[in-house]
Amino acid sequence: NAGVTQTPKFQVLKTGQSMTLQCAQDMNHEYMSWYRQDPGMGLRLIHYSVGAGITDQGEVPNGYNVSRSTTEDFPLRLLSAAPSQTSVYFCASSKWTSGSPDTQYFGPGTRLTVL
Amino acid sequence: AQTVTQSQPEMSVQEAETVTLSCTYDTSENNYYLFWYKQPPSRQMILVIRQEAYKQQNATENRFSVNFQKAAKSFSLKISDSQLGDTAMYFCAFMKRSDYKLSFGAGTTVTVRA
Repeated sequence: NAGVTQTPKFQVLKTGQSMTLQCAQDMNHEYMSWYRQDPGMGLRLIHYSVGAGITDQGEVPNGYNVSRSTTEDFPLRLLSAAPSQTSVYFCASSKWTSGSPDTQYFGPGTRLTVL
Repeated sequence: AQTVTQSQPEMSVQEAETVTLSCTYDTSENNYYLFWYKQPPSRQMILVIRQEAYKQQNATENRFSVNFQKAAKSFSLKISDSQLGDTAMYFCAFMKRSDYKLSFGAGTTVTVRA
């Protein structure tokens, strides 16, 4: 198993550009999520999904879109990048068992810089 | 989002010694989970230990143990016999039992000195 994979590892964008951060998992996990990590603030939840076709907003969703067409993939889209979106982005996944959260496994992260 | 507070930005410990990291949280929930994650320089987030709020017994994983005080809303992590490989940032995190949203503290950087 590769676990949770993220591409790219590093990315530099100019303000206003768009891009998609890729996330994939091969553990057949129902739950997937995106977090951003900023200095001094820990990780904050952007969007999450409890299964294919189902997504919802987290704590800091503005400026980001997601979709979940398959169980394996959960891409994060930046439609018009802003310097405030400079951050490290983590994707995570876990089993979804009602009433009994399972461990969330994190990908290696993507460091994004918006100039 | 729930509030998770880690009051120690940095800590330093001698190899083989013990260090304790503090974490407090604010919630009105009764059923929840608490976690400690380790983030070494590689940036990978690694689960260290987890605690179910309904369990009174403190969780232990090898050299890592927690002191869970539910009434005080406190969840500290003790690292015993510290090793150089323990050098990392450590995050405390909270999750309601009803959903999978993790709320993280700001982190504590732990440096183990040889």
